Amino acid sequence: NAGVTQTPKFQVLKTGQSMTLQCAQDMNHEYMSWYRQDPGMGLRLIHYSVGAGITDQGEVPNGYNVSRSTTEDFPLRLLSAAPSQTSVYFCASSYTNGANVLTFGAGSRLTVL
Amino acid sequence: RKEVEQDPGPFNVPEGATVAFNCTYSNSASQSFFWYRQDCRKEPKLLMSVYSSGNEDGRFTAQLNRASQYISLLIRDSKLSDSATYLCVVNRNDYKLSFGAGTTVTVRA
Repeated sequence: NAGVTQTPKFQVLKTGQSMTLQCAQDMNHEYMSWYRQDPGMGLRLIHYSVGAGITDQGEVPNGYNVSRSTTEDFPLRLLSAAPSQTSVYFCASSYTNGANVLTFGAGSRLTVL
Repeated sequence: RKEVEQDPGPFNVPEGATVAFNCTYSNSASQSFFWYRQDCRKEPKLLMSVYSSGNEDGRFTAQLNRASQYISLLIRDSKLSDSATYLCVVNRNDYKLSFGAGTTVTVRA
């Protein structure tokens, strides 16, 4: 089983550029989410989805968009990258609302210059 | 105030020692509690769920104290492979999990 697959693993952007982080899971999980992890801080929720066609904001949604057209995919779009978005991004999924175990992708390291 | 707070450590312990640390949470409505383990530059992985009655998984014991709003993790007979950052996770069952910043444990030979 592939589990949760994130691409790319590493990315360098210039300020103002846009890009999409891809996340796909093959476990038929209803719940998918995006977190960012910064030094000295816990993972912070950016956006989440409880099923295809349903998305909602987390703790730090500004500057990011998401969509959930299928159960499997949950891409995260950076609209106009800023240095403050330099971080490690994790996609995670679970069967229900996160009360169950989260399965994480391997992470995407983004640097914005 | 952060929703979930942890002592960042590091806790440096010799092999075979016992190490324990806590995590406090601020929202009394929290329903589910977990410990995740994160190795350097890797993704978090579930270590164990924390139940009201406390639970044990091999050398790891987790406790929940709802009255004082903290959970704890105890590692007995520490191994070199236990070196990692341990993340406390709290869920209010509103689709938004809260993560602590982690407690770093380093086990030395």
